[in-house]
Amino acid sequence: GQNIDQPTEMTATEGAIVQINCTYQTSGFNGLFWYQQHAGEAPTFLSYNVLDGLEEKGRFSSFLSRSKGYSYLLLKELQMKDSASYLCAVWGKGSGDKLTFGTGTRLAVRP
Amino acid sequence: GAGVSQSPRYKVAKRGQDVALRCDPISGHVSLFWYQQALGQGPEFLTYFQNEAQLDKSGLPSDRFFAERPEGSVSTLKIQRTQQEDSAVYLCASSLGQGNYEQYFGPGTRLTVT
Repeated sequence: GQNIDQPTEMTATEGAIVQINCTYQTSGFNGLFWYQQHAGEAPTFLSYNVLDGLEEKGRFSSFLSRSKGYSYLLLKELQMKDSASYLCAVWGKGSGDKLTFGTGTRLAVRP
Repeated sequence: GAGVSQSPRYKVAKRGQDVALRCDPISGHVSLFWYQQALGQGPEFLTYFQNEAQLDKSGLPSDRFFAERPEGSVSTLKIQRTQQEDSAVYLCASSLGQGNYEQYFGPGTRLTVT
């Protein structure tokens, strides 16, 4: 089976940097995804990590350590529109193509 | 269309009624997934198709849930004899498959069972 943990809620200030952590336990590992979901909307893809290290894409970066079962999503220069839930999802070996999602981290960006 | 579409967007059913939820994936996408998302939770996997073949239905919570994709494109998730615990958002996602694993999600159907 797979177990994914991420904080339930976080608050940050506009213009700041925030790091959202995700730890996972899985019997096999193919890759890790981060999705953004605004309230009442579909999740949208942010990043995919399969190898250790940092992947940077504009204001968003994602880090993976496979040996530690750990990932984080880094959001820089926060904007009000970044207020959303951030979902960590693991693609495990032997699970076909399905993803196992964490419960999501609700980020509130304050002025 | 440009993205994954789902219909209806909202459905209210009386307990015991049958419902059918439709998903139109992105044209050419081989893989199609159904997820159930309860309020304040992440999506939970229900079932997965590759073309018309249902390769994994391990997440379907009971035999009241049934999904099909007869021509490898549009998919329908059917819930028989709905119960209050079935109230959730049902998300459909599709991907190109064949080594490209980014999943594109539809807006979901919010099902409320009264």
